[in-house]
Amino acid sequence: AQSVTQLGSHVSVSEGALVLLRCNYSSSVPPYLFWYVQYPNQGLQLLLKYTTGATLVKGINGFEAEFKKSETSFHLTKPSAHMSDAAEYFCAVRKLAGGTSYGKLTFGQGTILTVHP
Amino acid sequence: EAEVAQSPRYKITEKSQAVAFWCDPISGHATLYWYRQILGQGPELLVQFQDESVVDDSQLPKDRFSAERLKGVDSTLKIQPAELGDSAMYLCASSLGLAVYNEQFFGPGTRLTVL
Repeated sequence: AQSVTQLGSHVSVSEGALVLLRCNYSSSVPPYLFWYVQYPNQGLQLLLKYTTGATLVKGINGFEAEFKKSETSFHLTKPSAHMSDAAEYFCAVRKLAGGTSYGKLTFGQGTILTVHP
Repeated sequence: EAEVAQSPRYKITEKSQAVAFWCDPISGHATLYWYRQILGQGPELLVQFQDESVVDDSQLPKDRFSAERLKGVDSTLKIQPAELGDSAMYLCASSLGLAVYNEQFFGPGTRLTVL
């Protein structure tokens, strides 16, 4: 079984401060990892993804995440928060189903990011 | 820019009534997904189609939920009868194919309130 844990349901930062959203996964094999952002009453938008290769992944809007196998983590960071970053962020994992090239996307509970002026 | 379309955006119904949601995926996307997102939680996959065939409906409550994608393009998700616990956001997503590296593009969702 695979699961995703996002530490902290709410994170509050000041504009210009570092953003750090934590995600840990449990999986018997390295999964594919994703971060999505959701603005109020909208669908999800992909920020970035890790499949294979370089463990530091850069995404849209200045976000990046680092895959750390030893820590089973995939934390999301942004050096300087902007007011427009206020939203809910979801970490997700996707593990290949046995014998196939696809698998179900499993989401964490989400972290609401608030940015103060 | 191509987008996943969903309608209606909002639906209020009384329990025991039937409701239906519609999704039109991005043109050319063979794979279509329906997710349910309860307030305060992440989305949970209900059903997944490859063209007109169901690939995974293990989390779909089949006693009251049904989904179809008859021509392998747009899709309808139905609930009959609706229960109070069905209040949630229903998200549709599509991707080029099943392979895990294909990005899933999400629609704006349908927010269902059951009274």
